[in-house]
Amino acid sequence: AQSVTQLGSHVSVSEGALVLLRCNYSSSVPPYLFWYVQYPNQGLQLLLKYTSAATLVKGINGFEAEFKKSETSFHLTKPSAHMSDAAEYFCAVSDLSTGTASKLTFGTGTRLQVTL
Amino acid sequence: DAGVTQSPTHLIKTRGQQVTLRCSPKSGHDTVSWYQQALGQGPQFIFQYYEEEERQRGNFPDRFSGHQFPNYSSELNVNALLLGDSALYLCASWQDSPDTQYFGPGTRLTVL
Repeated sequence: AQSVTQLGSHVSVSEGALVLLRCNYSSSVPPYLFWYVQYPNQGLQLLLKYTSAATLVKGINGFEAEFKKSETSFHLTKPSAHMSDAAEYFCAVSDLSTGTASKLTFGTGTRLQVTL
Repeated sequence: DAGVTQSPTHLIKTRGQQVTLRCSPKSGHDTVSWYQQALGQGPQFIFQYYEEEERQRGNFPDRFSGHQFPNYSSELNVNALLLGDSALYLCASWQDSPDTQYFGPGTRLTVL
């Protein structure tokens, strides 16, 4: 079974500071990994995805993530936080290698707070 | 393009009642998945529909059932509601490439 663990349910950074949200995964097959963002009272928006191509993935809004197989990690970073980045962030894993297994398994989320 | 739409936005029911939630996929998408997101938790996969059939199912009881119509829209039905069914229910759609799933805004269900 696949799973993801997000370290830190709440992360607070100052505006302009580095954002680092941690995600570790467990998968018996090469995983596909995703980061989604959820703003209050809204659905999920895809930030970026890793699907076995380049290990450093760039997404929207200046976010990027690096797939590290040796560490089973897929941490999300942004060099400079903006107030608009305040939201809930979810890491997810999927086993797309079987063709039909397209369900996403999500972590419990990390709430990012950005302060002035 | 309207994206994925869901209705209603909010719903209040009492224990034991039945509820139906609706999802219209993004234009051109033929596959729909449903997720349950309890407060403070990540979404959990309920089931997936393709070509009007349930293709994959998560660890949810039979009280949760669904349907997909010829126009690819979908319904989620929950019978005999429990307090623990209170959650945000999310619908996601895609076509050909499940690595890019688009989510709707969700339906907030409250069971009293």
